[in-house]
Amino acid sequence: EVQLVESGGGLVKPGGSLRLSCAASGFTFNNAWMTWVRQAPGKGLEWVGRIKSKTDGGTIDYVAPVKGRFIISRDDSKNTLYLQMNSLRSEDTAVYYCATLGDSSADWGQGTLVTVSS
Amino acid sequence: SYELTQPPSVSVSPGQTARITCSADALTKQYVYWYQQKPGQAPVLVIYKDSERPSGIPERFSGSSSGTTVTLTISGVQAEDEADYYCQSADSSGTFYVFGTGTKVTVL
Repeated sequence: EVQLVESGGGLVKPGGSLRLSCAASGFTFNNAWMTWVRQAPGKGLEWVGRIKSKTDGGTIDYVAPVKGRFIISRDDSKNTLYLQMNSLRSEDTAVYYCATLGDSSADWGQGTLVTVSS
Repeated sequence: SYELTQPPSVSVSPGQTARITCSADALTKQYVYWYQQKPGQAPVLVIYKDSERPSGIPERFSGSSSGTTVTLTISGVQAEDEADYYCQSADSSGTFYVFGTGTKVTVL
């Protein structure tokens, strides 16, 4: 059974930093393209970015509002995905999900809440 | 930037058919995926590659595509189908993914 468990969320002041983790199990992590999606309170889903598998080049892409502030990385030896968030703004307040958005299947974690407020 | 537009809400009586559209501002030839999200839960994939249904998803969920509009159809709606639904696709290069604006389905 695929499991994705996010952690690291919490309250942070504007301009601060936070690192989220996503522990994966139940599938071959090093072959998977991993994605971060966020959802602001009461709002829709927003794709944050994706990291390809190393065998597919390891390319990382980001949505425009977070490019230059957020960094996605992975540690295949630990089956873990990361999201380093810097220069946080109030509009980054959201539940952050890690997910595998495949061609014919998708698995999501339960999300971790990040609140940016003074 | 690439955008996918959905109606904010759809209301339907039990047993009737709900149709949710997802309109793109450009033809990208990328597949569309549909997700169901209930309050406090993570999204669940209900349709992939425009019209394919994952195992475990009821047959009443179906997808279709025509031009720059794709449609999720729920035939014989049940109370448990009340949820938010999101389409998802990618830009023409397949690099940047995007979610639709979301549709709240209310079962009357």
